[in-house]
Amino acid sequence: QPQLQESGPGLVKPSETLSLICTVSGDSISSSSYYWGWIRQPPGKGLEWIGSIYYSGTTYNNPSLNRRVTISVDTAKNQFSLRLTSVTAADTALYYCARGSIVGASTIREIYYFDYWGQGVLVTVSS
Amino acid sequence: EIVLTQSPGTLSLSPGERATLSCRASQTISSSYLAWYQQKSGQAPSLLIYGTSTRATGIPDRFSGSGSGTDFTLTISRLEPEDFAVYYCQQYGSSFTFGPGTKVDIK
Repeated sequence: QPQLQESGPGLVKPSETLSLICTVSGDSISSSSYYWGWIRQPPGKGLEWIGSIYYSGTTYNNPSLNRRVTISVDTAKNQFSLRLTSVTAADTALYYCARGSIVGASTIREIYYFDYWGQGVLVTVSS
Repeated sequence: EIVLTQSPGTLSLSPGERATLSCRASQTISSSYLAWYQQKSGQAPSLLIYGTSTRATGIPDRFSGSGSGTDFTLTISRLEPEDFAVYYCQQYGSSFTFGPGTKVDIK
């Protein structure tokens, strides 16, 4: 089964950019069967999908975060990454990366559920 | 955006008892694209059920999912000590949204 590992700074200053990398092992990020996603969870709260990417570079982001989110993929390194700009305290959360297994398609996008998750990395936004 | 509501917020039960968790959607979830996740304290969520009723790899058959349209249920037939956790439903047919979770704790 695949292993996903998030990495990046645990502390980011307000108004700056949060950058995280997810390294995938035991699976190829270039597989046509999967999307790769980011989900976050503020401490003690619920889960929020941030966005997803296909190995080709096609992305699909949460509209509520879209203008601040960039997700990219590096197939050579079997990694994908997240950039979230202009962060505030509200962006403090555990950030998870996850694999999305494609099960179908709508008129707009592929349909997938998240079957394997990384252990998460806590990012605190504070000066 | 499809909003998911889960009930109850907390379910207090004893090992061996049956747990019934509800997930209600603000709109019909297309093609039953509904999943359930379990999150134990200090751990990442793990997939239990997808497509409303299909158990993920390695999930024991005491976990079952059912429902359609806007009303979905996760049932744990006999609670084991390791089942006390928070459970989230998620729809993935129209963007992605999660419910607020149901905590199953020991009575």
